[in-house]
Amino acid sequence: AQKITQTQPGMFVQEKEAVTLDCTYDTSDPSYGLFWYKQPSSGEMIFLIYQGSYDQQNATEGRYSLNFQKARKSANLVISASQLGDSAMYFCAMRGGTGGGADGLTFGKGTHLIIQP
Amino acid sequence: DAMVIQNPRYQVTQFGKPVTLSCSQTLNHNVMYWYQQKSSQAPKLLFHYYDKDFNNEADTPDNFQSRRPNTSFCFLDIRSPGLGDAAMYLCATRASGPSSYNEQFFGPGTRLTVL
Repeated sequence: AQKITQTQPGMFVQEKEAVTLDCTYDTSDPSYGLFWYKQPSSGEMIFLIYQGSYDQQNATEGRYSLNFQKARKSANLVISASQLGDSAMYFCAMRGGTGGGADGLTFGKGTHLIIQP
Repeated sequence: DAMVIQNPRYQVTQFGKPVTLSCSQTLNHNVMYWYQQKSSQAPKLLFHYYDKDFNNEADTPDNFQSRRPNTSFCFLDIRSPGLGDAAMYLCATRASGPSSYNEQFFGPGTRLTVL
């Protein structure tokens, strides 16, 4: 079974500061994919970044980067230069296998990030 | 723009009255998922379709059913909604294949209220 743990229910961060959202995972699959999604109050899930278990480098997408530490089973999301529009729920998720399988995502409980001016 | 569409965005039903939520996609993805997200909780996978093959999660109640008449459409049927079924229902799609990863694209969700 897969499990995602997000230990920060809520965070307050000053605008323009960098923020790290924690995520640890547990799986018996040798290959897996890790995802971060943003969910604003409107409800839609917005894909941010992906890290495959065999990827040699940490993933980056604009202001988002993923600090992947495989031995520690952690996949923290780093947002640089936070903006007011970053205020939202952030979910870490995992899918077993990195190939063509159809398995759904297992989500963590989320972190509610609030950016303060 | 290619997208995932869910209708309606807000649905109110009565306790025990069957309700159907719909999802359509223009991405031509062969995998479609339904997730349930209760207030302040993580999304939870109910089931998914891989092409026409239906895959139910072990702990999904029998009260929840799904239909996929073609690639573009997928429906979630709740046969006898209870108060505990009030939630946001998220539809997602994904293209399976040899790509190293396949992002799931989510619709905007349908928020179900049960009176």
